[in-house]
Amino acid sequence: QVQLVVSGGGLVKPGGSLRLSCAASVFTFTNYHMSWIRQAPGKGLEWVSYISSGGTFIYYAESVKGRFTISRDNAKNSMYLQMNSLRAEDTAVYYCALTLPYFDSWGQGTLVTVSS
Amino acid sequence: EIVMTQSPDTLSVSPGERATLSCRASQSVSSNLAWYQQKPGQAPRLLMYGASTRATDIPARFSGSGSGTEFTLTVSSLQSEDFAVYFCQQYNNWPRTFGQGTRLEIK
Repeated sequence: QVQLVVSGGGLVKPGGSLRLSCAASVFTFTNYHMSWIRQAPGKGLEWVSYISSGGTFIYYAESVKGRFTISRDNAKNSMYLQMNSLRAEDTAVYYCALTLPYFDSWGQGTLVTVSS
Repeated sequence: EIVMTQSPDTLSVSPGERATLSCRASQSVSSNLAWYQQKPGQAPRLLMYGASTRATDIPARFSGSGSGTEFTLTVSSLQSEDFAVYFCQQYNNWPRTFGQGTRLEIK
């Protein structure tokens, strides 16, 4: 049973930074591609970023390109999302998901609120 | 970017009845289409992938069909736990895109 635990959310001012973490309890985490998906309050789902199992292939949504950086540490069974230059429109619950390439298992999400 | 459009936005159905949800892609996504169920305060859960393959532990009352640009999710006999929001998502092209969701509510 895959477990994904997301942490790092919180309140940040516009222009600020935040780093999200996704810790996986999967023995062979290194074999799995991973993604970040977000959901603004009361809205639908928006894919944010993807990283391949070895970290070679990385993709971003246009809305976050140049501001967000995805990374992973397979030795720690963890994935990260470094979010810089945050805007009000980045306010959302952020989920991590095991990617097969559909989103097979999801973490519980962490709320990021960008507000002054 | 492939735009995914779901219909209707809200569907009111009585328990025990059949529900049919639709999803249309702005261009062909082959069979690279997934469906997710989301309940309030919870993360989405994978229901279907490959347009018609049920995910692990998903009951047989859920079925999916379609390919190319037109897809359907059918719930044959609605149970109380099925009332939720449903999203379709294509994984044929980058960026991955979701439909806006269909809220399935009790009539």
